[in-house]
Amino acid sequence: QKEVEQNSGPLSVPEGAIASLNCTYSDRGSQSFFWYRQYSGKSPELIMSIYSNGDKEDGRFTAQLNKASQYVSLLIRDSQPSDSATYLCAVSGGSNYKLTFGKGTLLTVNP
Amino acid sequence: NAGVTQTPKFQVLKTGQSMTLQCAQDMNHNSMYWYRQDPGMGLRLIYYSASEGTTDKGEVPNGYNVSRLNKREFSLRLESAAPSQTSVYFCASQGSPANTGELFFGEGSRLTVL
Repeated sequence: QKEVEQNSGPLSVPEGAIASLNCTYSDRGSQSFFWYRQYSGKSPELIMSIYSNGDKEDGRFTAQLNKASQYVSLLIRDSQPSDSATYLCAVSGGSNYKLTFGKGTLLTVNP
Repeated sequence: NAGVTQTPKFQVLKTGQSMTLQCAQDMNHNSMYWYRQDPGMGLRLIYYSASEGTTDKGEVPNGYNVSRLNKREFSLRLESAAPSQTSVYFCASQGSPANTGELFFGEGSRLTVL
């Protein structure tokens, strides 16, 4: 059974700060890693995907993957109040291709 | 481009009643999924379909059945609803390739079982 664990939060940061969200996974054969953002009452939307070790940057977002440590993180630079949402880590590949989601971390960015 | 469309968006049922949640995607995706989301529990997979004509159980299949009617449509049926099935249900389809593609979600269906 593939497991995905996220820091439970909630996480609160001031506007302009860096928000750091963390995720660990149990299936060492996992190949694909995703970060989804979910606003309250809305459906999840993909913000980052990463498939190989290292960093991947997209605007203010940076995903980091360390397969040896089975760890994936999301950094949000210059956090804005509009970044306030629940962030879901998802993992697939390895023993099966289905996406398994963590329980999510609620981020609040305070003006 | 509608993406993934779910109906109904809201439903209230009495214990023991049955209903079907409908899902359709217009992106020509092979894989489709049904998740439920409860407070503090994240997204839990109920059933998925890797391609037309195939379905498989996810993490929490008990009390549900699914039908992959064709490539576009994937329905979720509750035969005898229970209060424990009160939840928000999301349908999603997956881009290619199947094990690396992004999930596209519908807007969700909020179900209350009294």
